[in-house]
Amino acid sequence: DAGVIQSPRHEVTEMGQEVTLRCKPISGHDYLFWYRQTMMRGLELLIYFNNNVPIDDSGMPEDRFSAKMPNASFSTLKIQPSEPRDSAVYFCASSLRLAGGVGTDTQYFGPGTRLTVL
Amino acid sequence: AQKVTQAQTEISVVEKEDVTLDCVYETRDTTYYLFWYKQPPSGELVFLIRRNSFDEQNEISGRYSWNFQKSTSSFNFTITASQVVDSAVYFCALSQNFGNEKLTFGTGTRLTIIP
Repeated sequence: DAGVIQSPRHEVTEMGQEVTLRCKPISGHDYLFWYRQTMMRGLELLIYFNNNVPIDDSGMPEDRFSAKMPNASFSTLKIQPSEPRDSAVYFCASSLRLAGGVGTDTQYFGPGTRLTVL
Repeated sequence: AQKVTQAQTEISVVEKEDVTLDCVYETRDTTYYLFWYKQPPSGELVFLIRRNSFDEQNEISGRYSWNFQKSTSSFNFTITASQVVDSAVYFCALSQNFGNEKLTFGTGTRLTIIP
């Protein structure tokens, strides 16, 4: 079975440009998470969705960041305009709600997108 | 608020030695889940284990073992007879109940196995 798929794997762009990161969760999973990893802040949650609906976006740094999940098999994270401090590895993860509805099963991560903003 | 502390930033051991990675967590919930993930040099995050707060049994999987102690809020990870392929950054993480499913990660421990 395919894991979480992210594209592109690497992105290099110039400050001010729009960047779009893509994620395809594991088929059948109803939770999708976007995390960012930096040396300074470690791994931090940006936003997560349940059944395509954003549940918690408190980790989104500012209005330049936006995320959508138009259907169960696709999500995007957009940065507009990008800045050098956005350089990081962005991970997408997906999971399944546990039977009984008390939390989610294990989150499985995609390979990440390494973003460099010059 | 929940918090995960991995006090060991970096550890180096000689191949075949045993090594224990420490993880201490804070949470007010009675139901929660603890995880360990491995991040090898290639960068992906690989799931190793998941434990719920009601299951304090220690777990062993090959050379890996985990010791969960609620009394000390710790979930430590031991690698027995370490191998060079174990070199990676290891993250401990915590998640909670419905409505707060996000993972809170520790800062990670970089483990280097010296041949």
